[in-house]
Amino acid sequence: EPEVTQTPSHQVTQMGQEVILRCVPISNHLYFYWYRQILGQKVEFLVSFYNNEISEKSEIFDDQFSVERPDGSNFTLKIRSTKLEDSAMYFCATNSGTYTAYEQYFGPGTRLTVT
Amino acid sequence: AQSVTQPDIHITVSEGASLELRCNYSYGATPYLFWYVQSPGQGLQLLLKYFSGDTLVQGIKGFEAEFKRSQSSFNLRKPSVHWSDAAEYFCAYFGNEKLTFGTGTRLTIIP
Repeated sequence: EPEVTQTPSHQVTQMGQEVILRCVPISNHLYFYWYRQILGQKVEFLVSFYNNEISEKSEIFDDQFSVERPDGSNFTLKIRSTKLEDSAMYFCATNSGTYTAYEQYFGPGTRLTVT
Repeated sequence: AQSVTQPDIHITVSEGASLELRCNYSYGATPYLFWYVQSPGQGLQLLLKYFSGDTLVQGIKGFEAEFKRSQSSFNLRKPSVHWSDAAEYFCAYFGNEKLTFGTGTRLTIIP
């Protein structure tokens, strides 16, 4: 069964450094999302991406965050200058854009630790 | 405001016992509702979904959920739990181009 993959599985970085989290969506999917989950808390929406542009973003997704699909396959989340409070699990999700567009498939996540 | 509420933070059940996890939503239109399960250190796996039609939906791993519009609920049930069902369970709805999750219910299974 096709699946969403994410790399790295765990990233440790120092405060102020830039990080890029990578996701490989399911091949024919058209909609892409990033969510995050701070330890012990609920999953929160960050951003949705369709047709090479952001379609929706949350208040969490400020100017420090950006997304892109640089090569038509990977979908990346960049945090320009990490803060301690960015430590969380980051999940990529995708859906096909068909009738079941609301059904999102999640990757295994990247655990980001900012020290 | 649109939201989804899971009133139970933690539930403990005996292996073989029945299970019901509660979920209430607040959303104007017909919601698209989901249950996801997250095992420790793992990603989110879709258990089942409700879009329309039959209000009792079947999912994977023997789970089912019933959509009740009058009660704004979408409770998850399983007739007999297994030790492997121990995990965090999240209810979610899709609206405004995103999934909104509840705070989750942690399920512990005792022998």
